[in-house]
Amino acid sequence: DAGVIQSPRHEVTEMGQEVTLRCKPISGHNSLFWYRQTMMRGLELLIYFNNNVPIDDSGMPEDRFSAKMPNASFSTLKIQPSEPRDSAVYFCASSLHSSGDTDTQYFGPGTRLTVL
Amino acid sequence: AQTVTQSQPEMSVQEAETVTLSCTYDTSESDYYLFWYKQPPSRQMILVIRQEAYKQQNATENRFSVNFQKAAKSFSLKISDSQLGDAAMYFCAYRSNFGNEKLTFGTGTRLTIIP
Repeated sequence: DAGVIQSPRHEVTEMGQEVTLRCKPISGHNSLFWYRQTMMRGLELLIYFNNNVPIDDSGMPEDRFSAKMPNASFSTLKIQPSEPRDSAVYFCASSLHSSGDTDTQYFGPGTRLTVL
Repeated sequence: AQTVTQSQPEMSVQEAETVTLSCTYDTSESDYYLFWYKQPPSRQMILVIRQEAYKQQNATENRFSVNFQKAAKSFSLKISDSQLGDAAMYFCAYRSNFGNEKLTFGTGTRLTIIP
């Protein structure tokens, strides 16, 4: 079975440009998570969805960041306009959330974003 | 808010030996899950082992086992018979069982395996 798929794997862009990161969760999973990894802040949750509905977006840094999940098999994280401090690795993860289960999150390979 | 602390930024172990990575956490909740994830140089996050807080028995997965001390809020990972492929960053993570599914991560421990 395919795992979580993210694209692109690497993105280099100029400051001020729009960046869109994409994620396809594991088929059948109903929760999707976006995490960001930086040297300064480590791994932190940006936003997560359950059944395509945003549940916790408290980690979204500011209005420049937005995330959507139009259907159960696709999500995007958009940064507009991008800034050098957005440079990081962005992970997408998915899990099958059900009452009483461990709900293990499975991670995609990540997108390394560099904003010049 | 929950916090996870990994006090060992780096550890090293001789190949075939045993090493223990430490993790402590702070929470007021009684029901939660704990995880260890491995991140090799490829940066892929790989689940190593998980523990449900309501279970007294420590989780084991082949060469990996945990020492879960609920009262002390401690969750250490023991790797037996260390192999070169175990070299990676290891992250301890906490997840509440009361609604919010997010993982709260520690800062990680970089494990080096000495041949």
